[in-house]
Amino acid sequence: NAGVMQNPRHLVRRRGQEARLRCSPMKGHSHVYWYRQLPEEGLKFMVYLQKENIIDESGMPKERFSAEFPKEGPSILRIQQVVRGDSAAYFCASSPNRGQANPLGKDYGYTFGSGTRLTVV
Amino acid sequence: TQLLEQSPQFLSIQEGENLTVYCNSSSVFSSLQWYRQEPGEGPVLLVTVVTGGEVKKLKRLTFQFGDARKDSSLHITAAQPGDTGLYLCAGAPNFNKFYFGSGTKLNVKP
Repeated sequence: NAGVMQNPRHLVRRRGQEARLRCSPMKGHSHVYWYRQLPEEGLKFMVYLQKENIIDESGMPKERFSAEFPKEGPSILRIQQVVRGDSAAYFCASSPNRGQANPLGKDYGYTFGSGTRLTVV
Repeated sequence: TQLLEQSPQFLSIQEGENLTVYCNSSSVFSSLQWYRQEPGEGPVLLVTVVTGGEVKKLKRLTFQFGDARKDSSLHITAAQPGDTGLYLCAGAPNFNKFYFGSGTKLNVKP
């Protein structure tokens, strides 16, 4: 009963290289969310995807960042030409639906992965 | 601009003390969640509140959602070192994505 799997756990890239972060949602979850967290800060929403669809990318920087969630395989967050300011922890979360399974039911919400810590040197 | 403001930012207390953490906003939320995050790990959901005035208890933790659904509090009774971590509130304005507060970093000293 694996949870949300993210890999790699740690990623070091030189400025200008590409970073690819992977997220496999929990079994049965078709909604994936990516968040970024800087040290000592909360999580900032980046993008919300369903299989083969980007639902909300309002938190994504306009350039260099892209995300996908193909029909088969994990969701990928891709950062091209990384800069030092991209260094952060990137978390993926999944839910069985839009994160609001049943407002009157059991506790619901996101299940988060352990994150990928990106360091740009 | 932070949609959710958490206070205090940092809290260091002795084992056995009580504490309250606050999460405030000028926006109304359809639901609000509390998470706890330990270093090097992702946040773990503690509770979801959806009804104004709702109170939920989870062992020594008591969560309250404000009547107007704009704010929430987390009260911990007789804190233990195992409670140490970053406490995050997250609100969903319209049953869509969640916005997170900047967190309260709690340190409980033995």
